[in-house]
Amino acid sequence: GQQLNQSPQSMFIQEGEDVSMNCTSSSIFNTWLWYKQDPGEGPVLLIALYKAGELTSNGRLTAQFGITRKDSFLNISASIPSDVGIYFCAGQSNTGNQFYFGTGTSLTVIP
Amino acid sequence: ETGVTQTPRHLVMGMTNKKSLKCEQHLGHNAMYWYKQSAKKPLELMFVYSLEERVENNSVPSRFSPECPNSSHLFLHLHTLQPEDSALYLCASSQEARASYGYTFGSGTRLTVV
Repeated sequence: GQQLNQSPQSMFIQEGEDVSMNCTSSSIFNTWLWYKQDPGEGPVLLIALYKAGELTSNGRLTAQFGITRKDSFLNISASIPSDVGIYFCAGQSNTGNQFYFGTGTSLTVIP
Repeated sequence: ETGVTQTPRHLVMGMTNKKSLKCEQHLGHNAMYWYKQSAKKPLELMFVYSLEERVENNSVPSRFSPECPNSSHLFLHLHTLQPEDSALYLCASSQEARASYGYTFGSGTRLTVV
């Protein structure tokens, strides 16, 4: 199947710092999703992107659909302790095809 | 209850046991999925059901047997599992199969095979 590489694998940051993570693929995708998974819970959808170059925000989170359509980026501004969790990207080549998931970026926020 | 509910939350079973995982969605969705989540690995799609019909089986061993009696319920029947089957099993649903707006996930069942 498709392989999505997420970077970095883990991050340890101070509360209040900004966070950046990315996801790259060897294939072109038409849809990019970003999920967050809290410990002991299932992933929750944060942001969906459908167009190359698209920039979408959800509160302190901003995600971008890369113009090559092979990558996507997630930024979190002014991190807080509840941002702790694992962030997953997912890509879909066409509607009707399955989503492929990245391996996740684990975020730890130090108060 | 709202969203996607999975039971049990935790399950420990021996390799000779038979058990079942249950998933129920209260969203009126028509598609349901089973995913396997192992440490350091991407989510692995196991099965896709659309309107109670299995539309995808991703080369999953026969010791995993899904059942979808109606569009709100999905089961995963387990028998003679191996220790490497220990993982978090996630159920998800969407309005249509493989819709582009993503899926709603349950909290998962943490399975340990001993």
